[in-house]
Amino acid sequence: KAGVTQTPRYLIKTRGQQVTLSCSPISGHRSVSWYQQTPGQGLQFLFEYFSETQRNKGNFPGRFSGRQFSNSRSEMNVSTLELGDSALYLCASSLPTVTGYEQYFGPGTRLTVT
Amino acid sequence: LAKTTQPISMDSYEGQEVNITCSHNNIATNDYITWYQQFPSQGPRFIIQGYKTKVTNEVASLFIPADRKSSTLSLPRVSLSDTAVYYCLVGDNAGGFKTIFGAGTRLFVKA
Repeated sequence: KAGVTQTPRYLIKTRGQQVTLSCSPISGHRSVSWYQQTPGQGLQFLFEYFSETQRNKGNFPGRFSGRQFSNSRSEMNVSTLELGDSALYLCASSLPTVTGYEQYFGPGTRLTVT
Repeated sequence: LAKTTQPISMDSYEGQEVNITCSHNNIATNDYITWYQQFPSQGPRFIIQGYKTKVTNEVASLFIPADRKSSTLSLPRVSLSDTAVYYCLVGDNAGGFKTIFGAGTRLFVKA
């Protein structure tokens, strides 16, 4: 079974621009979560989508948004990029009936804002 | 979400057994304990999950005492490739995921 895929893997953007990242979950997984990882802040939860609805949200400004499609694929968007948005953005998917925190992560998108 | 406390870093040598303990004093009745491993520039990888007593899989064992206020991840006979950050998470998925990763434990395995 294919794992979680994320595109693009690397991205360089300029401050003020916007960016859209894509995540394809494992087949059958309906929950998709997004995380930001930086050396200074570690792994931080952005939001989680389930059945096209945002179910949980972390403490990030409104410039960070996401959506999920009917096939469970998800996108996250960051508008008005800032230098501090440079990070590894990770997507994770999980089965709907699993207990605990059994999530499967993709390889991430490395975003560099200049 | 229960707060977890882990050692910041640990050193070991190849072939040794490594035990990483996580404290979670305010664990709730429905909470599970989950451990992840992360290599640099990669996403975390699910290692093991348990609720009570002992759980073992092909990668690791998880020991959970009766009061569930702590747990210990045991890695048998580590190799250099086990050098990574290990995260302990406590919670359940009621209402969806809202995973809070702590700083984790950086394990260094030396030759």
